[in-house]
Amino acid sequence: EDQVTQSPEALRLQEGESSSLNCSYTVSGLRGLFWYRQDPGKGPEFLFTLYSAGEEKEKERLKATLTKKESFLHITAPKPEDSATYLCAVQAGGTASKLTFGTGTRLQVTL
Amino acid sequence: KAGVTQTPRYLIKTRGQQVTLSCSPISGHRSVSWYQQTPGQGLQFLFEYFSETQRNKGNFPGRFSGRQFSNSRSEMNVSTLELGDSALYLCASKLQGAADTQYFGPGTRLTVL
Repeated sequence: EDQVTQSPEALRLQEGESSSLNCSYTVSGLRGLFWYRQDPGKGPEFLFTLYSAGEEKEKERLKATLTKKESFLHITAPKPEDSATYLCAVQAGGTASKLTFGTGTRLQVTL
Repeated sequence: KAGVTQTPRYLIKTRGQQVTLSCSPISGHRSVSWYQQTPGQGLQFLFEYFSETQRNKGNFPGRFSGRQFSNSRSEMNVSTLELGDSALYLCASKLQGAADTQYFGPGTRLTVL
């Protein structure tokens, strides 16, 4: 069975204090690993898709990386508007659209 | 381009009733998936529809069903509601390829009393 574990559950950073979120996964034949951001009461907002080990993608203060067992979401010099829950999900080969999600990391960035 | 839209945004029902939720995908997207999000279980896959056919199904009881119309719009139905069905129901659409990115709507918040 596909599994996704995210750590830490919650993270509090000061503005400008860089850090990384971890997503460990076990899946039979990774088709894709997805990062989403979710604000309270809203649907997940797409951030990145990674397909193979060694791949990296960047967007503003965020950078996602992928190995064969885990993915990291690096946040550089975060701002208060980066506060949200960050969700990691995997899609296994042969499962059409089914995404298996982790429980998320709740990030709070303070001034 | 307009995003995924879901209606209604909020619903309150009582146990035993049934409910129908609606999802309009991004224009041109042919695949629609449904997810249930609860504080205890997180996001869980319900089912996916593509070309009006259910292509994949998660581990939910038969009380949860769905359908897709020729314009790719989708509906999800829950019959005989239970208290545990209270959740945020999310719809996601994608073009059609297996590895295409899924884009989520704002969700329907269902409360069962």
